[in-house]
Amino acid sequence: QKEVEQNSGPLSVPEGAIASLNCTYSDRGSQSFFWYRQYSGKSPELIMSIYSNGDKEDGRFTAQLNKASQYVSLLIRDSQPSDSATYLCAGFNDYKLSFGAGTTVTVRA
Amino acid sequence: EAQVTQNPRYLITVTGKKLTVTCSQNMNHEYMSWYRQDPGLGLRQIYYSMNVEVTDKGDVPEGYKVSRKEKRNFPLILESPSPNQTSLYFCASSPDRDEQFFGPGTRLTVL
Repeated sequence: QKEVEQNSGPLSVPEGAIASLNCTYSDRGSQSFFWYRQYSGKSPELIMSIYSNGDKEDGRFTAQLNKASQYVSLLIRDSQPSDSATYLCAGFNDYKLSFGAGTTVTVRA
Repeated sequence: EAQVTQNPRYLITVTGKKLTVTCSQNMNHEYMSWYRQDPGLGLRQIYYSMNVEVTDKGDVPEGYKVSRKEKRNFPLILESPSPNQTSLYFCASSPDRDEQFFGPGTRLTVL
C-alpha cells in the first residue's frame, strides 16, 4: 500500500464548477501536507500547504486536513480551463516527502 | 531569479555508460532532493540531503549515487545505467525541508 493514496480520477468538471480532490495517508507521523499542480511535461508547482486540522483557503483553492481520519482534500472553486492539470497530494515526515499518484483534472469550457 | 536548474534536460544513453545529472539552486536552501517520476507510480524520492556532506536514501536509491560538496549543487550519478532507470527525474530544494521547489526535470532514456 502506498503511503499516500489519491482518488484515481480522471476528473472532468465544467467551467465554473467545483473540483473536489481527495487524498488519504497511512503514516500517522506525517506532519505537513501539500498539494502540487503539474501541467503535462512540466515540473510540479506547489499550490497549497496545510499543517493543522481544518481548512485553509487561498484564492479559489481550499485545502482541508483531518489528521484523525488521515484525510486531506483540495477544493477548486470556479474551475477554469487553466486548472486542467494533474494534482499531486504529498505528505511530509522527517526528511521524506511521499507523493500520491496524482489526479488528472480536466475543466470543460 | 530564484530557481532550481537541471542539466541536461534530455538525455539518451546506453546501458552501462556512466552519467551525471547536475542540479543547482540559487536560493541558499539547505535541503535538496532527487525524485523520479514514472507513469502510474507517481513521484518517488531517490536521495535527499539535509546539508553539505549530509545525504540519505529515499525510497528508491538502488543504482544511484549523490554527493553534496557545496550547498548549491546536488548531482545525481548513475554509475551503470540500466533500462529500468529510464524515467523523468526532478531535483528539488527547500528552505525548511517540507515546502519543496522543483527543477524543470530531466528526461532520461537508457537503451
